[in-house]
Amino acid sequence: DAKTTQPPSMDCAEGRAANLPCNHSTISGNEYVYWYRQIHSQGPQYIIHGLKNNETNEMASLIITEDRKSSTLILPHATLRDTAVYYCIVMTQGAQKLVFGQGTRLTINP
Amino acid sequence: GAVVSQHPSWVICKSGTSVKIECRSLDFQATTMFWYRQFPKQSLMLMATSNEGSKATYEQGVEKDKFLINHASLTLSTLTVTSAHPEDSSFYICSASVARLAQGRSEKLFFGSGTQLSVL
Repeated sequence: DAKTTQPPSMDCAEGRAANLPCNHSTISGNEYVYWYRQIHSQGPQYIIHGLKNNETNEMASLIITEDRKSSTLILPHATLRDTAVYYCIVMTQGAQKLVFGQGTRLTINP
Repeated sequence: GAVVSQHPSWVICKSGTSVKIECRSLDFQATTMFWYRQFPKQSLMLMATSNEGSKATYEQGVEKDKFLINHASLTLSTLTVTSAHPEDSSFYICSASVARLAQGRSEKLFFGSGTQLSVL
């Protein structure tokens, strides 16, 4: 599976949009982009995933560049409860095990 | 979304004892479950893949005799840390894979809430 690169940490003000980047320049055509987050001392929580089209759900939006070499997770109105480590993972369809990188530690400030 | 229940949420044990951690899929059948461990301020590290009715597949460097995995049913996998030592103290997390979705859809994993193991 392709490797991803994320900034180690980011800060965002409460109520503002949080934009978390991820580079996956070696992604192959059948690999999906997944985002999970882990709040302190809890198991990871699924956020969203996509192949090439932009995706939106009740938690976030996922913007994937046309060449699919990078993506951005957008939390439209960040709250203090969004403080967590966010993991960007690429995975082939049907593959089941997730390999976690170091992720981005997002801190939402009041 | 699907629910994965993990018990206990925390356990303290004496060195040399064995500890069993349970992972249950509550509203779906999980043909495959995964066990991770996580040390403070580090990322999750995959330990093993547990397939219902067959032997688990361990990642390189993980001792199969130390971390016993049993996946006897489609809703339950257990991890037993045998003869635990202080260096086994860690956060253990399980996850379960929902059975393959409709054609063209990728699967996603659901995670338990984790078990904090402290070995004295």
